[in-house]
Amino acid sequence: AAGVIQSPRHLIKEKRETATLKCYPIPRHDTVYWYQQGPGQDPQFLISFYEKMQSDKGSIPDRFSAQQFSDYHSELNMSSLELGDSALYFCASSLPGKSNGELFFGEGSRLTVL
Amino acid sequence: GQQLNQSPQSMFIQEGEDVSMNCTSSSIFNTWLWYKQDPGEGPVLLIALYKAGELTSNGRLTAQFGITRKDSFLNISASIPSDVGIYFCAGQPSRGSNYKLTFGKGTLLTVNP
Repeated sequence: AAGVIQSPRHLIKEKRETATLKCYPIPRHDTVYWYQQGPGQDPQFLISFYEKMQSDKGSIPDRFSAQQFSDYHSELNMSSLELGDSALYFCASSLPGKSNGELFFGEGSRLTVL
Repeated sequence: GQQLNQSPQSMFIQEGEDVSMNCTSSSIFNTWLWYKQDPGEGPVLLIALYKAGELTSNGRLTAQFGITRKDSFLNISASIPSDVGIYFCAGQPSRGSNYKLTFGKGTLLTVNP
């Protein structure tokens, strides 16, 4: 079965650079979530989109922005990168109208900021 | 915001032993879920619980949604080496949740063959 696809899997950037992560949800899933997981930490919710509109916002820095496109894929844009932004970034998706919290996660994108 | 207290933080067991871990919260959750995460991989959903008191099994895994809606436990029976990983509980709040999940800090499970 198709899963959530994230790219790139690994990314190395310098401080103050920008980075863009992409997420392709499971087909027919209309809601996308972004999570950030630091080393040894639990995933922290950043932002979510439902039907191309932002549905909820968590601890996402102002330097970050995201959007969901007409084909339901989403991109997370990170600017003025800081060392502390080094983390695993997960995208998750859920079925239309599925309000029971069943999120399916991608493999993640590992961002390293040097 | 809501916080989940997950325990234990880590467990070292022998193959074949049973394992139990739990999560508690000071606030009510509408849904409890248990995920397993292997190093460098995304969390994989193991069990989802929707009703207070609900007991659900998935193979050797059994989880329960606490009657107060503020806690949940996960049991793994007859552990095997591939059970190694980090287990996260996650909850969906009952109000204004927009379906996002709050995660516990995780339980690192090591199984010695």
